[in-house]
Amino acid sequence: AQKVTQAQTEISVVEKEDVTLDCVYETRDTTYYLFWYKQPPSGELVFLIRRNSFDEQNEISGRYSWNFQKSTSSFNFTITASQVVDSAVYFCALSYSNRKLIWGLGTSLAVNP
Amino acid sequence: GAVVSQHPSWVICKSGTSVKIECRSLDFQATTMFWYRQFPKQSLMLMATSNEGSKATYEQGVEKDKFLINHASLTLSTLTVTSAHPEDSSFYICSARTRRHQETQYFGPGTRLLVL
Repeated sequence: AQKVTQAQTEISVVEKEDVTLDCVYETRDTTYYLFWYKQPPSGELVFLIRRNSFDEQNEISGRYSWNFQKSTSSFNFTITASQVVDSAVYFCALSYSNRKLIWGLGTSLAVNP
Repeated sequence: GAVVSQHPSWVICKSGTSVKIECRSLDFQATTMFWYRQFPKQSLMLMATSNEGSKATYEQGVEKDKFLINHASLTLSTLTVTSAHPEDSSFYICSARTRRHQETQYFGPGTRLLVL
């Protein structure tokens, strides 16, 4: 069965703290894609990253970084020096052979000044 | 690149009326578009997959006659909520993918529907 688990429902941090959002996935496919999307209060989903199953290199983009580990089926997302504008719901998602997205339940991040 | 628009962004209607939501890919041709529904503080629920020029494929439990989807061109898909009722009130989001990067979906800003 294909499944994405985001165990953290809500996280609250103070500005400038680092925060890691966890994502654990299940799939039997050897070829798959993992995604992170950001949904700010406005509701629009913002694409953050796509990673395919054959590329385990970690990625850094500014204050954002992603740690993909196939051994633990995890694709965690870290925000360094968080800012108030980072407050949003973050969704991890999995796409496999049928190219539909399997969504996690999302993690609501509140960054307080 | 890969910008998707939705119109309207907000709609309030009376029970029993039909509402049409448009989803457009502005700078690319979308071979496939998806329609999602999202309830407050919940994840996205896929309603249907729409391929240009063919009938939409609906997910289990989604009423085809209730949620009419048309994908008439490579840049436009529409979702019509027929005879809307208060329980249809929700946030409807479309997404589109390109022929070149079929693994990635780009999302529209969403449409909030309130049925009174």
